[in-house]
Amino acid sequence: GAGVSQSPSNKVTEKGKDVELRCDPISGHTALYWYRQSLGQGLEFLIYFQGNSAPDKSGLPSDRFSAERTGGSVSTLTIQRTQQEDSAVYLCASSLVGLARSSGANVLTFGAGSRLTVL
Amino acid sequence: AQTVTQSQPEMSVQEAETVTLSCTYDTSENNYYLFWYKQPPSRQMILVIRQEAYKQQNATENRFSVNFQKAAKSFSLKISDSQLGDTAMYFCAFMNTGNQFYFGTGTSLTVIP
Repeated sequence: GAGVSQSPSNKVTEKGKDVELRCDPISGHTALYWYRQSLGQGLEFLIYFQGNSAPDKSGLPSDRFSAERTGGSVSTLTIQRTQQEDSAVYLCASSLVGLARSSGANVLTFGAGSRLTVL
Repeated sequence: AQTVTQSQPEMSVQEAETVTLSCTYDTSENNYYLFWYKQPPSRQMILVIRQEAYKQQNATENRFSVNFQKAAKSFSLKISDSQLGDTAMYFCAFMNTGNQFYFGTGTSLTVIP
C-alpha cells in the first residue's frame, strides 16, 4: 500500500482480555518495528522484524506480549491478559533496509497507531 | 548501548521566528543515521530530516536544517520562519548499523501566533 496501515485505530478493552493489533507495512519494506507510546512519553521499542531473520524481541515488556509477521508482510501484536498499564498508543513502522546511499532506504515510515485503553 | 537525549521537554517560538531544538546521542559506532521526526496532535509521525553520519555537510529541507557535530555527538534542528503548523512533538532518533532505531523523549514545540 501507499502507507503503513494499522488497525484498529482505537480499542477499548477490559482488564484481563486479550487484544490483537494489526500492522500492514509498505509493500516491499523488509523491516517492521513496533513501538509503544504512553501518554506524553517518547517511543518505547518493542520488537523488530527484518526479512527472514529471527526477530529482535528485546523490547517486549513481559511474556504477555508477542508478535508475529506472516509472509514477511503483515504483523500482529498480541497482548494477553491486558493490564491497565498496557494502555498506550502502539505504533508500527516499516522501512526499506538498503545501501547507505539508496534513496529512501533506512527511513522509518509510521502508521497512525492503535490507541489501546484498558479499563 | 545507544542513547538519545533531548534536554528541552517544551519550547515555544513566535510565528515567523527561528527556533533550535537540541539533541545529543551516545554511540561507539562510526557509521549511523540521525533523524528528526515530527508528531502533530493527529499522532502521525512524519520524517522531517535525515543526516548520514559519513556526510559532513548539514542536511537541509526547506525551512528545516540541522547542525550536525559528529565529534560532539550533537544533532540540533533549526526551524526557520516558524509556522503554526510546526506545532508538534519533535523526536530525535538514531539508527545504528543493525538498523535499530533509538528515540529521544521528545520536545513539545508550540508556535505562538
